[in-house]
Amino acid sequence: GAVVSQHPSRVICKSGTSVKIECRSLDFQATTMFWYRQFPKQSLMLMATSNEGSKATYEQGVEKDKFLINHASLTLSTLTVTSAHPEDSSFYICSAETGQATEAFFGQGTRLTVV
Amino acid sequence: GESVGLHLPTLSVQEGDNSIINCAYSNSASDYFIWYKQESGKGPQFIIDIRSNMDKRQGQRVTVLLNKTVKHLSLQIAATQPGDSAVYFCAATTGANSKLTFGKGITLSVRP
Repeated sequence: GAVVSQHPSRVICKSGTSVKIECRSLDFQATTMFWYRQFPKQSLMLMATSNEGSKATYEQGVEKDKFLINHASLTLSTLTVTSAHPEDSSFYICSAETGQATEAFFGQGTRLTVV
Repeated sequence: GESVGLHLPTLSVQEGDNSIINCAYSNSASDYFIWYKQESGKGPQFIIDIRSNMDKRQGQRVTVLLNKTVKHLSLQIAATQPGDSAVYFCAATTGANSKLTFGKGITLSVRP
């Protein structure tokens, strides 16, 4: 099956700094990638939809200037959490679609802790 | 809008028994449904999917049933094993390449 790799799996950063999370489709080209946020014992909440070569579409309530998304190639999307605060601590997950099927393939997630 | 929800937050079953996890959705236009399994600290793992033109689909030890009349989806796991312990999410979408809406999640706990 298709593999989506997310890096890093864990990151701890200081308040006020920025953190970049990478999402790569290893064996397929992803026309669309999605970024989710998940709080403990909660469901996945979609943050934004990222299409290669165009601006990301953010869900209501998600600050696009705080959560910068770049989808520069068909195999890589990045999420940068800018000026991180402790309340940004969460589990961030990406998924990718091939464009030929609706099934989405998920990365292993990134645990962000802001101290 | 779309909302997808699960009826119960937790389910405890004896090893070897069958498990049934239920899910309700609100958007009658939803045409594609997926069940995911998520283990602690990991991303969701695809289990099985079903399109709205089907009522039932079987995989290895898993079966998904879709009742469009009452907008209900279920996941059946046969001979539940300790490795099945995880949080299970249903998700729904409308159309191709459309964003998924996830249910709240149900924790399946398997007793040895």
